Amino acid sequence: AQKITQTQPGMFVQEKEAVTLDCTYDTSDPSYGLFWYKQPSSGEMIFLIYQGSYDQQNATEGRYSLNFQKARKSANLVISASQLGDSAMYFCAMREGLIVNNQFYFGTGTSLTVIP
Amino acid sequence: KAGVTQTPRYLIKTRGQQVTLSCSPISGHRSVSWYQQTPGQGLQFLFEYFSETQRNKGNFPGRFSGRQFSNSRSEMNVSTLELGDSALYLCASSSGTSGRSYNEQFFGPGTRLTVL
Repeated sequence: AQKITQTQPGMFVQEKEAVTLDCTYDTSDPSYGLFWYKQPSSGEMIFLIYQGSYDQQNATEGRYSLNFQKARKSANLVISASQLGDSAMYFCAMREGLIVNNQFYFGTGTSLTVIP
Repeated sequence: KAGVTQTPRYLIKTRGQQVTLSCSPISGHRSVSWYQQTPGQGLQFLFEYFSETQRNKGNFPGRFSGRQFSNSRSEMNVSTLELGDSALYLCASSSGTSGRSYNEQFFGPGTRLTVL
């Protein structure tokens, strides 16, 4: 089974509108971390936001927020007030375990296009 | 603080050759992870090095190997190149230890390898 599933290959959003990118995950480990990365056409992966499995509140970082629904195993990224510069690929990722472990599992990504 | 640097940025090799890619992490970071990104398979974890030791390993054949030096710089080697090895190879650095900084993994711009 896939560890991370992103079901939206491509999304379009009007500039200044909010958009939600979906991510579901699969793990039996009670300790895990969920991440979102942005990859512009230049190729560099940019860290956006992190949510730990024991965090009580949803993570927020500026215009980015993570809608964490533990029971449903979903970790959707919400981008508010979209900007043209938000056009990029977005990847959801997970790291499992309490032991220091930097093996990340990535989803297949969602291509976001912001329309002026 | 300087970011993660990878050299070379682009590389063209022929089947059967070997290649060495280099990654310099952010100053003070001791963990370096390598990923292969292809259109078909997405982002796949290769291995992680921490304090000169391989700490985690993905599911890749033995042709893929790596090492880390005392200054945390890391190299990745691929021997007997195959056409399917054509990909963007991304390196990521993190502190590698517990705490908030552990949750952030910073990626380099990648090395785009083309095997002819």
